[in-house]
Amino acid sequence: AQTVTQSQPEMSVQEAETVTLSCTYDTSESDYYLFWYKQPPSRQMILVIRQEAYKQQNATENRFSVNFQKAAKSFSLKISDSQLGDAAMYFCAYSPNYGGSQGNLIFGKGTKLSVKP
Amino acid sequence: GAGVSQSPSNKVTEKGKDVELRCDPISGHTALYWYRQRLGQGLEFLIYFQGNSAPDKSGLPSDRFSAERTGESVSTLTIQRTQQEDSAVYLCASSFLFGRTNEKLFFGSGTQLSVL
Repeated sequence: AQTVTQSQPEMSVQEAETVTLSCTYDTSESDYYLFWYKQPPSRQMILVIRQEAYKQQNATENRFSVNFQKAAKSFSLKISDSQLGDAAMYFCAYSPNYGGSQGNLIFGKGTKLSVKP
Repeated sequence: GAGVSQSPSNKVTEKGKDVELRCDPISGHTALYWYRQRLGQGLEFLIYFQGNSAPDKSGLPSDRFSAERTGESVSTLTIQRTQQEDSAVYLCASSFLFGRTNEKLFFGSGTQLSVL
């Protein structure tokens, strides 16, 4: 069975500093996608960044970047120059790539990130 | 609409009652998903609709749960004879699938269901 594990229930970072959120996953598939989603108090999940497993290059989106280690099944999120608006729950998610179906996104339990002014 | 709309935002019900949760996806999105999020937990996949294909119901926890979607429009998630363990946020998401491309999911703000 595919699983996603986030070992840090809570993290804290000083404004303008850098923080890394950890995620590991387990799968026997070779073709899949990995995601980081942000969930602010509004409850609406927002996609932060996406990584395709067959791409060796780590994905980046402005201040957000990932460290994708396929052999180690690790997918960490680095937030640079942290801002107060980055405070939220962050969820790591996995999706197998079955002919276009991404219905079964598997989520970790989340990491609550606090940003100190 | 501009985004995925869910109603009601909050629902309080008594144990044993039936509830219906509604999701209005983004216009043109062929795929629609329902997830459940228990307090302090990640999202659990419930059901997935893609166009006119048979839905993937593999995540529904029991036969008290069912969902319908008419074409590529509104979906309703129905929970019959609610139990206290059904208390959770129910999130809906939609996306546009093109070939094998794994498209971005757009989420609604969810329905907070409380079963007393």
